[in-house]
Amino acid sequence: GAGVSQSPRYKVTKRGQDVTLRCDPISSHATLYWYQQALGQGPEFLTYFNYEAQPDKSGLPSDRFSAERPEGSISTLTIQRTEQRDSAMYRCASSLGPSGVHEQFFGPGTRLTVL
Amino acid sequence: QQQVKQSPQSLIVQKGGISIINCAYENTAFDYFPWYQQFPGKGPALLIAIRPDVSEKKEGRFTISFNKSAKQFSLHIMDSQPGDSATYFCAARGSGGSNYKLTFGKGTLLTVNP
Repeated sequence: GAGVSQSPRYKVTKRGQDVTLRCDPISSHATLYWYQQALGQGPEFLTYFNYEAQPDKSGLPSDRFSAERPEGSISTLTIQRTEQRDSAMYRCASSLGPSGVHEQFFGPGTRLTVL
Repeated sequence: QQQVKQSPQSLIVQKGGISIINCAYENTAFDYFPWYQQFPGKGPALLIAIRPDVSEKKEGRFTISFNKSAKQFSLHIMDSQPGDSATYFCAARGSGGSNYKLTFGKGTLLTVNP
């Protein structure tokens, strides 16, 4: 596709349930990022991938959060045993290469609501 | 700890006026300062960016002013138009081994009245 796509666009779940969010980056892009954006805040870095490798997970809030990119393309972000404080917009971005010189292109996000 | 502080939270400007959004940072290791524009329902999109070795960068109606000693930078939108109404985020990128990581401000909701 022409841009970064994410699915679902909206997800409502009950506390304690697991959710999986999907990101489909721009096809030529090696690097993929996940951000969490709370209401009224800017995006906050969660983790990133260079192809399949995940060099930095330091932004993941807890061990309930995990991300995968097994074939170096599509990525998933899984939140286990969701809590109300997990409610946020989750944004994916991709860039051409692993260096910071490449622009990050953001997807439209997945709005997660935990009841 | 908020590493990039952005103000104001919201801004209302008349068409043709100048919009000014300010950001301040703490980490002197930041080496790249982009501004993102976000429309409702869309992700942030890169608008303009500056490196700390330059004090000003202009692209069309958009200008970044950068003050390295004060650790501040600002976005100026000249001749503001209703189509500029959006949320604007400043950001800062780490250097060296952290050059992939963007730290964002909280955002400024700009409304340009016709």
